[in-house]
Amino acid sequence: GEDVEQSLFLSVREGDSSVINCTYTDSSSTYLYWYKQEPGAGLQLLTYIFSNMDMKQDQRLTVLLNKKDKHLSLRIADTQTGDSAIYFCAESILGGNNLFFGTGTRLTVIP
Amino acid sequence: DARVTQTPRHKVTEMGQEVTMRCQPILGHNTVFWYRQTMMQGLELLAYFRNRAPLDDSGMPKDRFSAEMPDATLATLKIQPSEPRDSAVYFCASAGSSAQEGETQYFGPGTRLLVL
Repeated sequence: GEDVEQSLFLSVREGDSSVINCTYTDSSSTYLYWYKQEPGAGLQLLTYIFSNMDMKQDQRLTVLLNKKDKHLSLRIADTQTGDSAIYFCAESILGGNNLFFGTGTRLTVIP
Repeated sequence: DARVTQTPRHKVTEMGQEVTMRCQPILGHNTVFWYRQTMMQGLELLAYFRNRAPLDDSGMPKDRFSAEMPDATLATLKIQPSEPRDSAVYFCASAGSSAQEGETQYFGPGTRLLVL
């Protein structure tokens, strides 16, 4: 079945860049997503990338996709304390209706 | 500003009581998902509907959980009888269907359930 993996924790200093990594197993992924969950809140869609793209940039966020290695990353430039949250990657599969989520990476930004 | 809404936001109940959670998907979205999030299990898909018809509820304990969509603007998730192990945050998400967005899901704020 589909397996999406992420490291559980990441700590960075304010102002540095954060890189959150994700690996997945299903080569028929169509879209890959990054969601952010702040304490006590729901999952907020940050960005997504179509599987035929290598990179997508949106302000401080850069998504890189290495389809050969089935590796997805989210880079946050100039990380701020407000970026502290849990970040989930997710994939959708060709012909499927639902998303498969990773375990989430808890990002802690140290002032 | 289109959003998924969920009620109640918080619910504390006693074991054995019925719990009903409600979700209003984004207007025009035809797919609705129910998830459960716990510290131990993470995010689990319980069930989802497309055009109000259940497509998959394999993640849901059938003996006590039921999910319905009485109409296109309301989805419900019921637990009867509730048990302490049902304590979790229950999220609803909705999705449209467009080539541009794929199956992008938009999440509600969740219902935080505590069963004593």
